[in-house]
Amino acid sequence: TQLLEQSPQFLSIQEGENLTVYCNSSSVFSSLQWYRQEPGEGPVLLVTVVTGGEVKKLKRLTFQFGDARKDSSLHITAAQPGDTGLYLCAGVKYGGSQGNLIFGKGTKLSVKP
Amino acid sequence: DAGVIQSPRHEVTEMGQEVTLRCKPISGHNSLFWYRQTMMRGLELLIYFNNNVPIDDSGMPEDRFSAKMPNASFSTLKIQPSEPRDSAVYFCASSRTRGLYEQYFGPGTRLTVT
Repeated sequence: TQLLEQSPQFLSIQEGENLTVYCNSSSVFSSLQWYRQEPGEGPVLLVTVVTGGEVKKLKRLTFQFGDARKDSSLHITAAQPGDTGLYLCAGVKYGGSQGNLIFGKGTKLSVKP
Repeated sequence: DAGVIQSPRHEVTEMGQEVTLRCKPISGHNSLFWYRQTMMRGLELLIYFNNNVPIDDSGMPEDRFSAKMPNASFSTLKIQPSEPRDSAVYFCASSRTRGLYEQYFGPGTRLTVT
């Protein structure tokens, strides 16, 4: 059973389109992180959300943490080829230690010029 | 500042051989993690250390896998004997022990066992 479900698994879009990817769970998380991984590289941390309902923006990327802290979304506006990569969400279970940083399987995004 | 350093970047070996992967965490980070990534299973935590002490090794698949952290700046993951199903990308990550537990990953070691 995957504790963090990410959807969609794959997404292929044209440059300039908008998109949203999701990270869902039945468990409560004290915080949730989003990483981007490019081919041949390790995941790179984009953002951490901590408070239920929190919204954080990173240029064209908007991250939201669900009110109940069980889910999160990442919205990209006017996607560019440089946004191509694997987007991973990872959560620290409420009351857990950092050994409980649980990763989803990721959404593989391809943005075509 | 230097990030997490892993070596080698690529390793090709024959079944039955011993493989040793190396990691140097970011200076000042007290926690170190070893992950394995495959297409089928995604990113899996193998083991993590706090202050050089192994805390949770429940993700280590079998006795063929072992990990050590002799000091704050070096860790190894050893597979002996290696098998074709061990082929994967192995990542090392480090973080501070407190705060938001944000992890910083190395570039990974791509292991191929033939």
